[in-house]
Amino acid sequence: DTGVSQDPRHKITKRGQNVTFRCDPISEHNRLYWYRQTLGQGPEFLTYFQNEAQLEKSRLLSDRFSAERPKGSFSTLEIQRTEQGDSAMYLCASSFLSHGGYTFGSGTRLTVV
Amino acid sequence: AQTVTQSQPEMSVQEAETVTLSCTYDTSESDYYLFWYKQPPSRQMILVIRQEAYKQQNATENRFSVNFQKAAKSFSLKISDSQLGDAAMYFCATMNRDDKIIFGKGTRLHILP
Repeated sequence: DTGVSQDPRHKITKRGQNVTFRCDPISEHNRLYWYRQTLGQGPEFLTYFQNEAQLEKSRLLSDRFSAERPKGSFSTLEIQRTEQGDSAMYLCASSFLSHGGYTFGSGTRLTVV
Repeated sequence: AQTVTQSQPEMSVQEAETVTLSCTYDTSESDYYLFWYKQPPSRQMILVIRQEAYKQQNATENRFSVNFQKAAKSFSLKISDSQLGDAAMYFCATMNRDDKIIFGKGTRLHILP
């Protein structure tokens, strides 16, 4: 197992376009988390899944954001009609028992121009 | 709601010396977990150390140890024998029973050769 994988590593898009990111968690992990990190800040929670069920969504996640985890394996995070304020690093993490801490991926850096 | 405060945006330490990073937090729960994560430049978040709030004994991982003061809601990280590879952003974080990790804004640690 190579850990948590995120694709793409970098994405540059024009304002108003839609983007989709993918996260492949560690295979035996049933929980998957999405965070957003802007420059110089700590990661902010967006949403998380236990298996295929989305258990919580942050108020930060506007209607333009949607996340899925079909079949409880990989997850996608889609941002519709991107705005410059969406520029950030999007981090995915997974865990089996969350109190042990999460394993993070390397993130997808989104730049909206 | 959980909050995490790291009052030191940046710190520097001479190689081989000891440095302590401060963290205070707030939570209404009695059962929770505390973490320190390390984020090297352009690299993924790595779990450094974790502490269960119900344990009085301070956690230790090799050169990393914590000073957990539950009544004061303080959770500082001590790095002994600092090495150049310790240079990174360090994030203090908490997790309640809702399984959601909340991060502080981070402390950037510089190691001086």
